[in-house]
Amino acid sequence: DTEVTQTPKHLVMGMTNKKSLKCEQHMGHRAMYWYKQKAKKPPELMFVYSYEKLSINESVPSRFSPECPNSSLLNLHLHALQPEDSALYLCASSQVRGGGSLQETQYFGPGTRLLVL
Amino acid sequence: AQTVTQSQPEMSVQEAETVTLSCTYDTSESDYYLFWYKQPPSRQMILVIRQEAYKQQNATENRFSVNFQKAAKSFSLKISDSQLGDAAMYFCAYRRESGNTPLVFGKGTRLSVIA
Repeated sequence: DTEVTQTPKHLVMGMTNKKSLKCEQHMGHRAMYWYKQKAKKPPELMFVYSYEKLSINESVPSRFSPECPNSSLLNLHLHALQPEDSALYLCASSQVRGGGSLQETQYFGPGTRLLVL
Repeated sequence: AQTVTQSQPEMSVQEAETVTLSCTYDTSESDYYLFWYKQPPSRQMILVIRQEAYKQQNATENRFSVNFQKAAKSFSLKISDSQLGDAAMYFCAYRRESGNTPLVFGKGTRLSVIA
């Protein structure tokens, strides 16, 4: 089973709202990722969690707040977003090798399409 | 820094024909992985095929195969017997073997399949 699930599929929010995106995997992967993808562009990495600890933060604004409550779940909390934050948000997961380095193959979820008004 | 270049923004192919998507990359590493991901209009990124740089044999997955030329830093994807469901954006991606480095994506090639 190589399934990563994401909810909701679509989200519309105002600039003063607080919302959360959720991602779940049951492949036993210990690394999880958030990507942002604008139309007709490749995904851009936002955050990486390895063993439930934040290991990479690609200088993402603080209005995006990730959380990894356990090895299967990854959340992205959104607050005071701007219209330019409208995009597809993709979650991915991968295994972690002995020694802690990230396994190379990532499996992606279907994404949450976010519109900020 | 590693870069991945997909020089064909758009390609089209007749159904049942064969098409090749090109990808070149730049790296000073000797151990790395290369991937092709497919993203249909539904927007889910699907792993199509992966290649380990230390393997000389080209990876294949059913109708999908790659031509990996390590010295030339080229990694093209061949789709045989193209089907309507192959229509999608295809991203070539690179990741070095060690450390916690992220995937590096190319800009993508949009493939249309003509019935």
